[in-house]
Amino acid sequence: KQEVTQIPAALSVPEGENLVLNCSFTDSAIYNLQWFRQDPGKGLTSLLLIQSSQREQTSGRLNASLDKSSGRSTLYIAASQPGDSATYLCAVIDNNDMRFGAGTRLTVKP
Amino acid sequence: DTGVSQDPRHKITKRGQNVTFRCDPISEHNRLYWYRQTLGQGPEFLTYFQNEAQLEKSRLLSDRFSAERPKGSFSTLEIQRTEQGDSAMYLCAGGFDEKLFFGSGTQLSVL
Repeated sequence: KQEVTQIPAALSVPEGENLVLNCSFTDSAIYNLQWFRQDPGKGLTSLLLIQSSQREQTSGRLNASLDKSSGRSTLYIAASQPGDSATYLCAVIDNNDMRFGAGTRLTVKP
Repeated sequence: DTGVSQDPRHKITKRGQNVTFRCDPISEHNRLYWYRQTLGQGPEFLTYFQNEAQLEKSRLLSDRFSAERPKGSFSTLEIQRTEQGDSAMYLCAGGFDEKLFFGSGTQLSVL
């Protein structure tokens, strides 16, 4: 059974810092991996999707990497802003099943 | 806007009552998922539809839960004889290819 873990559970940084969020998974036979953002009481917004054959994806200030062999993905956020404050979730997709980590709650202080 | 809408946004019910939630994905979404999320946790998979066929159900989906997608478009999730432990955010996601698009969820509170 696939287990997805995200570290740290919470992170607080001053505005402008670069930061890295970590995601690990136990079964490397994944189809792809997706990073989401969730604001309090809201649904999930897709940030980046990495296919299993890819190593990384970039969108603006966000860069996500995937290392299937070690069961790890990282989400790099450059020049963080207060508007980046949210919970960030990673999800691994294996056939029809998408399993989520518990998320990292990010606070960017002005 | 992801194009996936859920109704209602909030539902408060008394224990023992039945509730039904609705999810409307966009027409291109041949895949549809239901998830449940409690505070501080990631979403937990409940069930998956490919068009109108329900292909997978989690063991979390007890016999009090039933989901349908009659015409391969909108979907409903019904919970019968609700219990306090059913209180959670119920999320629906639609997709094609590999990407999933989530609705804003239905927050259920069982008193």
